[in-house]
Amino acid sequence: GAVVSQHPSRVICKSGTSVKIECRSLDFQATTMFWYRQFPKQSLMLMATSNEGSKATYEQGVEKDKFLINHASLTLSTLTVTSAHPEDSSFYICSARDRRGQLAPQHFGDGTRLSIL
Amino acid sequence: QKEVEQDPGPLSVPEGAIVSLNCTYSNSAFQYFMWYRQYSRKGPELLMYTYSSGNKEDGRFTAQVDKSSKYISLFIRDSQPSDSATYLCAMNRETSGSRLTFGEGTQLTVNP
Repeated sequence: GAVVSQHPSRVICKSGTSVKIECRSLDFQATTMFWYRQFPKQSLMLMATSNEGSKATYEQGVEKDKFLINHASLTLSTLTVTSAHPEDSSFYICSARDRRGQLAPQHFGDGTRLSIL
Repeated sequence: QKEVEQDPGPLSVPEGAIVSLNCTYSNSAFQYFMWYRQYSRKGPELLMYTYSSGNKEDGRFTAQVDKSSKYISLFIRDSQPSDSATYLCAMNRETSGSRLTFGEGTQLTVNP
């Protein structure tokens, strides 16, 4: 089946550090990838939609200068949390959609647990 | 009112039981329906994907969609302890790259 790889799986760092998370589609090409944030015992909250070769579309309330998204190729999108603070600690998950096939669903990575001290 | 309603549970059943998980939605524009399973500290895993009313079966899992009632279900037969996870329903309006609207997720525990 479709595989989405997300790296790293766990990050612990000091306040003020910038953290980059990678999302790769391993066996398909994805023109669109999505970045979510998930708090404990809650559902996924969409942060932004990442489009290959163009700017990301951010959801209302998500700071685009804080959460930088780059989708440089059809198999890679990155999310950079800039100058992270403890309130940015969360579980970040990406998903990707196979560009072939009009009815393809989203497939998710295994998430990145970010802890800011 | 939320666009998608899902009972958060928790739901606890004995091994071998039939599990029924349900979501209702309010927007008739939703056309594509998914069920994801999420284990603790992992990303959601796609279980079922349907786009028409009726039943779709895959092994022990059956997805049911009733567009007239705006109601979807996931049935798990012969449930196993390994089925213990949070189950998320999700749906979207269009085919290409549109955002998913999720239910809150139902936490399921299957007891051996």
